[in-house]
Amino acid sequence: GAGVSQSPRYKVAKRGQDVALRCDPISGHVSLFWYQQALGQGPEFLTYFQNEAQLDKSGLPSDRFFAERPEGSVSTLKIQRTQQEDSAVYLCASSLVGGSGANVLTFGAGSRLTVL
Amino acid sequence: RKEVEQDPGPFNVPEGATVAFNCTYSNSASQSFFWYRQDCRKEPKLLMSVYSSGNEDGRFTAQLNRASQYISLLIRDSKLSDSATYLCVVPIRGGGNKLTFGTGTQLKVEL
Repeated sequence: GAGVSQSPRYKVAKRGQDVALRCDPISGHVSLFWYQQALGQGPEFLTYFQNEAQLDKSGLPSDRFFAERPEGSVSTLKIQRTQQEDSAVYLCASSLVGGSGANVLTFGAGSRLTVL
Repeated sequence: RKEVEQDPGPFNVPEGATVAFNCTYSNSASQSFFWYRQDCRKEPKLLMSVYSSGNEDGRFTAQLNRASQYISLLIRDSKLSDSATYLCVVPIRGGGNKLTFGTGTQLKVEL
């Protein structure tokens, strides 16, 4: 596609519910990143994929967070048993290349999660 | 010390003014740096990349000081449309192509 597409754009969940957030990166982009952005803060790294391999998940805040990219394109971030502190905007970004060396990220519009 | 530190602002400046933001970073091995712009309730978008001593693009100039480990962003002749949050971005220490974002500096350009 022309850009990074994320869905849903807005999600309201009751505490304890499971949610799934989808990211469709730019076609052909090798690297895919998930970031979490709380109000008034910069994006915080969650996890990184190179093709279908999850190379780094060190930023996932707890074992309630799980991400996958089974075919190396679309990715899903799943949050189990949501808590109020999970309320944030979840940003997906992709970049053309993988490997070492920082690369330019293209972000999606984000999924705004509100946990009541 | 945080990986990336920025003054959150806000910086309130009149239209036409020159304004500069600084950003300090802790990863002395970083080779590339970025400034992203984020409008309210929008996603971050790349403004400038900085790979050597600096970069200039129209009214925007980014400079890198490796010895002091800071990068700066200078905006000349500010426009109302420049109002946004400016995010300083550096590679995560030992993290390959993963990027660490600062908290951002908010700029408000006023009439």
